[in-house]
Amino acid sequence: GENVEQHPSTLSVQEGDSAVIKCTYSDSASNYFPWYKQELGKRPQLIIDIRSNVGEKKDQRIAVTLNKTAKHFSLHITETQPEDSAVYFCAARPPPGGYNKLIFGAGTRLAVHP
Amino acid sequence: GAGVSQSPSNKVTEKGKDVELRCDPISGHTALYWYRQRLGQGLEFLIYFQGNSAPDKSGLPSDRFSAERTGESVSTLTIQRTQQEDSAVYLCASSSLGQWTSGNTIYFGEGSWLTVV
Repeated sequence: GENVEQHPSTLSVQEGDSAVIKCTYSDSASNYFPWYKQELGKRPQLIIDIRSNVGEKKDQRIAVTLNKTAKHFSLHITETQPEDSAVYFCAARPPPGGYNKLIFGAGTRLAVHP
Repeated sequence: GAGVSQSPSNKVTEKGKDVELRCDPISGHTALYWYRQRLGQGLEFLIYFQGNSAPDKSGLPSDRFSAERTGESVSTLTIQRTQQEDSAVYLCASSSLGQWTSGNTIYFGEGSWLTVV
């Protein structure tokens, strides 16, 4: 089945710097890659997603890139702010023919210091 | 409803007791997921329901865990003979379409915090 690895597990940056989180997946047929943000004690919430027919997607300070050949995708946060501090999870969805469940990475704890 | 609703929000139970956790998905969502999240850890897939299809139970950690869903409505996750290692947040999520042909967002509930003492 699909396996998603996420790095780094923790990331500390200064306010205003950029942050990059990387994920790799095992099933080359996976076609949907969302990113979720989970603030302390709260539910995970979708912040951005990308489909396999797109190489990059941006939404204000957040962007996601996908390299299907290398089977990895990354989250980029520019001009980080303290409120970006949270745990970020990447996920991949396996191909059809089976079930539609998302497989999550282990998460990255991002700390943005003022 | 407006979002995925879970109950109870917090549950403290004695080791060996059974617990039942409830999830009410967003109205119209055909797909429903249960995940477990231990303190400071990632999201561990437990079980997935899609419409009337047989559920994907591949993530259930032992036969003490079971889940049911009637149609496209409420789901209950049951843990029998609870152990201390069952202490975690149990997150339910739902999405509007189980087919992968287009990406669909899954929405999480607030979770049920289970503590086994």
